[in-house]
Amino acid sequence: GAVVSQHPSWVICKSGTSVKIECRSLDFQATTMFWYRQFPKQSLMLMATSNEGSKATYEQGVEKDKFLINHASLTLSTLTVTSAHPEDSSFYICSASRYRTGDTEAFFGQGTRLTVV
Amino acid sequence: AQSVTQLDSHVSVSEGTPVLLRCNYSSSYSPSLFWYVQHPNKGLQLLLKYTSAATLVKGINGFEAEFKKSETSFHLTKPSAHMSDAAEYFCVVSVVFQGGKLIFGQGTELSVKP
Repeated sequence: GAVVSQHPSWVICKSGTSVKIECRSLDFQATTMFWYRQFPKQSLMLMATSNEGSKATYEQGVEKDKFLINHASLTLSTLTVTSAHPEDSSFYICSASRYRTGDTEAFFGQGTRLTVV
Repeated sequence: AQSVTQLDSHVSVSEGTPVLLRCNYSSSYSPSLFWYVQHPNKGLQLLLKYTSAATLVKGINGFEAEFKKSETSFHLTKPSAHMSDAAEYFCVVSVVFQGGKLIFGQGTELSVKP
């Protein structure tokens, strides 16, 4: 199967600083990647759709100035949490879409546990 | 709009007994449906997927699910639970024509008692 690598797997940062999370598709090209957020004991909520070479599409209620998404290449998307605060502490997961004739499949990264202190 | 509803937030079974995790879907189109498993503080692992081929889908670790259009259901089953099956399970639907965008159900926590 296809491999998606997400880095870092966990990070602790001070309130007010910014944190960058990387999502890489290792063995396929992904024109579309997705970023999800998961609070403890809850489901995954889609934050945004990351499109290679264009602006990300954010879901309703997600602050695009706070969660900056860049998809500069077909294998890399980054999520930057700017001026992080304790309420941004969460589990962030990316997925990358692989297209084959008649089929699109999403592959997930391992997730990043962000703790803001 | 597409959506999935997982009918149980928590299911508890004894080791060696059958597992049933229930999921209903809503979709105007023929849906692509998935079951994912998530162990504590881990990423997601795909158990199985339905994409309009056979209605009975076999997945990894002995899990299977049956797509029933008349009941708009996609329940996950396993004949005999193992302790290692204890985890969070998500029923997921793929949003049509949006390049792999997924909508997650609320999740069902499966506990397995010895």
